[in-house]
Amino acid sequence: GENVEQHPSTLSVQEGDSAVIKCTYSDSASNYFPWYKQELGKRPQLIIDIRSNVGEKKDQRIAVTLNKTAKHFSLHITETQPEDSAVYFCAAPGGQNFVFGPGTRLSVLP
Amino acid sequence: KAGVTQTPRYLIKTRGQQVTLSCSPISGHRSVSWYQQTPGQGLQFLFEYFSETQRNKGNFPGRFSGRQFSNSRSEMNVSTLELGDSALYLCASSLDPVVRASNTGELFFGEGSRLTVL
Repeated sequence: GENVEQHPSTLSVQEGDSAVIKCTYSDSASNYFPWYKQELGKRPQLIIDIRSNVGEKKDQRIAVTLNKTAKHFSLHITETQPEDSAVYFCAAPGGQNFVFGPGTRLSVLP
Repeated sequence: KAGVTQTPRYLIKTRGQQVTLSCSPISGHRSVSWYQQTPGQGLQFLFEYFSETQRNKGNFPGRFSGRQFSNSRSEMNVSTLELGDSALYLCASSLDPVVRASNTGELFFGEGSRLTVL
């Protein structure tokens, strides 16, 4: 089955700097990769996703890149702001359910 | 459009008891998945229901069970509670079920039911 690893587990950046979170997956047949953001005490929400027919997708300050050969995808957040502080989860569709990475706790320091 | 609703939001039980959690998906969504969230373990898949049928089950003991009703509402039950069952239980709905490797459907999560077992 699918196995998803995520690094780093915690990340602290200064406000205005960039943050990068990387995930690797094991099932070469997977072709859809979402990222979810979970603010403290709130539900996870989809922030961006990418399908395997593209290598990069951007939405304002966030972007996701995909390397199918190496089986990894990354979340990039530029010009970080305090409201970006949250736990971020990557996921991949394994079997008949999504498999989530263990999460990255991002702290944006003022 | 109302979001995913989970009840109860918080509950405290003692070891050996059982608990039932409820999830009402977004109107029109036919697939409901359940996840257990604990610190350090992330989101662990419990099971998924579609059209009242359990399609897939995660690596959890038989004490964890669920069902889905004809209106797509779902319940999960945990019997003989253990201390380690303390967690946030999240329900997520989507239009269609996850299809291996190619699903592109967004999961809409509820706020979760926080279970504490004493």
